[in-house]
Amino acid sequence: QVQLQQSGPGLVKPSQTLSLTCVISGDSVSSNRAAWNWIRQSPSRGLEWLGRTYYRSKWYNDYAESVKSRITINPDTSKNQFSLHVNSVTPEDTAIYYCARDLNQQYGSPLDYWGQGTLVTVSS
Amino acid sequence: SYVLTQPPSVSVAPGKTARITCGGNNIGSENVHWYLQKPGQAPVLVIYYDSDRPSGIPERFSGSNSGNTATLTISRVEAGDEADYYCQVWDSSSDLRVFGGGTKLTVL
Repeated sequence: QVQLQQSGPGLVKPSQTLSLTCVISGDSVSSNRAAWNWIRQSPSRGLEWLGRTYYRSKWYNDYAESVKSRITINPDTSKNQFSLHVNSVTPEDTAIYYCARDLNQQYGSPLDYWGQGTLVTVSS
Repeated sequence: SYVLTQPPSVSVAPGKTARITCGGNNIGSENVHWYLQKPGQAPVLVIYYDSDRPSGIPERFSGSNSGNTATLTISRVEAGDEADYYCQVWDSSSDLRVFGGGTKLTVL
């Protein structure tokens, strides 16, 4: 059974960097079958996919164009986890952030396991 | 970018059939996935690749996809099926995973 456990601060000041971590159990971040995603949800934007990382002989990243200039998703093989960093945050980045696993690495893959979600508020 | 259109709400009596639609331009040519989300919880995959069910999802949940509309059908609806339901596709023109706006299912 795959489980994803998220951690990270719930409050971030404007212009600073939002950082979250997702620890994987029951699978490997280095799997050559799965991919590892971040999604956020807010009343104004609904569910919004941010990006993903996956390994297929080397590491790849896909990012949503809307946030591409501000985000980084990094794998950490030593801890079997992956992280999200969003820099220069504004109140519009306030949302519940989820990590999730792609069933496979194809672009049309479903998200079959999700983390519990982390509410991140951007406020001074 | 690709837009998925869902009705904001659907209401159904217990034991009846609920149909939740997801409209998109030629969506029949895309792989559609469906998630349910209960208040305060993460989304859960209920249908993938148009009509496949993950293990643990009741057979009452089914999906279809043709033309410009994908449909999630819930037969013999139960009170516990009350949730928000979201459709999702991958938009290859913009390399973006796209979600519908969600449909709130109310069991009367």
